[in-house]
Amino acid sequence: DQQVKQNSPSLSVQEGRISILNCDYTNSMFDYFLWYKKYPAEGPTFLISISSIKDKNEDGRFTVFLNKSAKHLSLHIVPSQPGDSAVYFCAASENRDDKIIFGKGTRLHILP
Amino acid sequence: GAVVSQHPSWVICKSGTSVKIECRSLDFQATTMFWYRQFPKQSLMLMATSNEGSKATYEQGVEKDKFLINHASLTLSTLTVTSAHPEDSSFYICSASPLRNRRYNEQFFGPGTRLTVL
Repeated sequence: DQQVKQNSPSLSVQEGRISILNCDYTNSMFDYFLWYKKYPAEGPTFLISISSIKDKNEDGRFTVFLNKSAKHLSLHIVPSQPGDSAVYFCAASENRDDKIIFGKGTRLHILP
Repeated sequence: GAVVSQHPSWVICKSGTSVKIECRSLDFQATTMFWYRQFPKQSLMLMATSNEGSKATYEQGVEKDKFLINHASLTLSTLTVTSAHPEDSSFYICSASPLRNRRYNEQFFGPGTRLTVL
C-alpha cells in the first residue's frame, strides 16, 4: 500500500510558466513533508520541506502548499527554467521516525 | 555543504558473486545512514536504517542475510549484496543524517551505485 502517491508520472511545462507537481498521502501520522529533485544516475537532492503545522513554505522560486484535510501537497515552481527538468520526489515522515517514505516521482520536462 | 560519496558508482558482476558498496560521509559525521533501492520508473524504496555500532534495522520484505549492512564508523556504511542474482540489478542509493546541528529529517544522499548482475 503506497502511503505517498504521485499520480502524474510526467509533466511538461513551457519555460517561464508555472510548474505544479502534486502529491497525496494516506498516513495521517505524517507530520513532515519534503520534496527532492533527482537527475538521472544521481542521488536525490533536497529541495524544500514543510511541517504539518504550516500550510505554505516558500523558498525562492519554489513554494510548497499543504492541505492536511485533503492529505494533499503540491510544489509550485515559478518561473520554470530549463534546469528544472528532472524527476521530483514527494516524501513524508512521522514524528517518531527518521524514515522518509518516497512517492514514485514525477518527471518534469521544461519546454523551450 | 554535506557530501556523501558512494563507491563504486557502477558495478557489473556475475550471478552468484557478492558485491560490496561503500557509503561515506565526507565532511560530517553521520549517526544514521539509510540504504535505498530504486527500480526503473519506481520510487526510492527504503531497505534498511543503520546506526553506527549497532545492527541495521531492515524494512519488511528485505532479506537481511542477502543485504548485509555494516556501519563501522560515523563516516562509513557498507552494503554487501551476497550471492547476487539478476533480479538484484538495481540502483542503490545511500543517505546520511548528520550527527550534530541536525535539522529534522535532514538526510544527504549519495550519487548512487548502479548494480548489474549478469
